[in-house]
Amino acid sequence: DAGVIQSPRHEVTEMGQEVTLRCKPISGHNSLFWYRQTMMRGLELLIYFNNNVPIDDSGMPEDRFSAKMPNASFSTLKIQPSEPRDSAVYFCASSLESGPLTYEQYFGPGTRLTVT
Amino acid sequence: AQSVTQLDSHVSVSEGTPVLLRCNYSSSYSPSLFWYVQHPNKGLQLLLKYTSAATLVKGINGFEAEFKKSETSFHLTKPSAHMSDAAEYFCVVSPMDTGRRALTFGSGTRLQVQP
Repeated sequence: DAGVIQSPRHEVTEMGQEVTLRCKPISGHNSLFWYRQTMMRGLELLIYFNNNVPIDDSGMPEDRFSAKMPNASFSTLKIQPSEPRDSAVYFCASSLESGPLTYEQYFGPGTRLTVT
Repeated sequence: AQSVTQLDSHVSVSEGTPVLLRCNYSSSYSPSLFWYVQHPNKGLQLLLKYTSAATLVKGINGFEAEFKKSETSFHLTKPSAHMSDAAEYFCVVSPMDTGRRALTFGSGTRLQVQP
């Protein structure tokens, strides 16, 4: 099993540019999560999908952020326009959810985003 | 509402001595509890999980944690630290009954292992 795959691993961009982060969840998982990690705020949930449908996007910081999951094997997180305060490590995680139980999430290696 | 408090931001131990990383939680519902480890510049890896079965949970790499409802604690222990255990550890809570899947992460405990 390849695990959760994220690309790119590192992204350096200039303020105002569009940034797209990509995630491939573990095959067979039906939930996908995007997190952001910073020194100041720790790990924050941005959005999660269940069966490709966004369930909770209350963590998305503002309209500059958007996320899509067009199919069960691919998701994107887009920032447009990017700002220096968006610099962080962005993690994607997936899990297999069934009924009311919470199952463990498996994390990708992260994308380190630097906005100059 | 749910929250998790990791009582120590940094813990330093000598190689071969026991490890104790403390975690207290608050949850309106019966929680699922997890410990994750993050090595430098790596993603998060699941160490162990509690989901209302046995209160003493064994994980990978010799770690274990005990769920104590009366103390609302889920402390992580290991009998003998190894240099490779140096990393950041996160205690995580998720409610079992609400249908929400969002995890709430603690602020993390950085474990240093001295030779």
